[in-house]
Amino acid sequence: EAQVTQNPRYLITVTGKKLTVTCSQNMNHEYMSWYRQDPGLGLRQIYYSMNVEVTDKGDVPEGYKVSRKEKRNFPLILESPSPNQTSLYFCASSVLAGDTGELFFGEGSRLTVL
Amino acid sequence: GENVEQHPSTLSVQEGDSAVIKCTYSDSASNYFPWYKQELGKRPQLIIDIRSNVGEKKDQRIAVTLNKTAKHFSLHITETQPEDSAVYFCAASWGSGTASKLTFGTGTRLQVTL
Repeated sequence: EAQVTQNPRYLITVTGKKLTVTCSQNMNHEYMSWYRQDPGLGLRQIYYSMNVEVTDKGDVPEGYKVSRKEKRNFPLILESPSPNQTSLYFCASSVLAGDTGELFFGEGSRLTVL
Repeated sequence: GENVEQHPSTLSVQEGDSAVIKCTYSDSASNYFPWYKQELGKRPQLIIDIRSNVGEKKDQRIAVTLNKTAKHFSLHITETQPEDSAVYFCAASWGSGTASKLTFGTGTRLQVTL
């Protein structure tokens, strides 16, 4: 089954404790991206990657890091989480070229930073 | 960068009525405009998209129209049903068949009442 898998789905942590949210896709998509969803603000892009070892900042990259060492994986790293990073996070993937730019989203990871 | 504004933020319609959600974008270079539907507690999913070389696109009860001159596009849902209740996001990006710099609107919560 074609899917984007995120882990963990739910996490409560404390300020300053490094954490990683993993994302994996099995569709051989070149493009992967991270979004955060906050009430009234929609979906805001954090980082994206066009291919292995190619990453770029989105609209709200501060406080986050990413890596793309393998095509299927795109982990989101919070080196020193702060309460303003409490949010619902979505990973998504897409083909890079073609008629559609459809994004396939993971199920989301709800993060609470105390 | 691109800025996408979406209105209204909430919309309540009676079953069988039509619903219209409007978005404006700022970057005249944007050429790809998808719409995503997010049901409560679920991931966003693409429902329809349009490219800037097309003025209108239909898929059963949903349609999207694009006015490049005015830089706005709209989602039209006819004969609404309770299962249409969800949050709808518009988005805009530029690029050839990719979602690389996709900027989302803030979302419209549609409620279809019986």
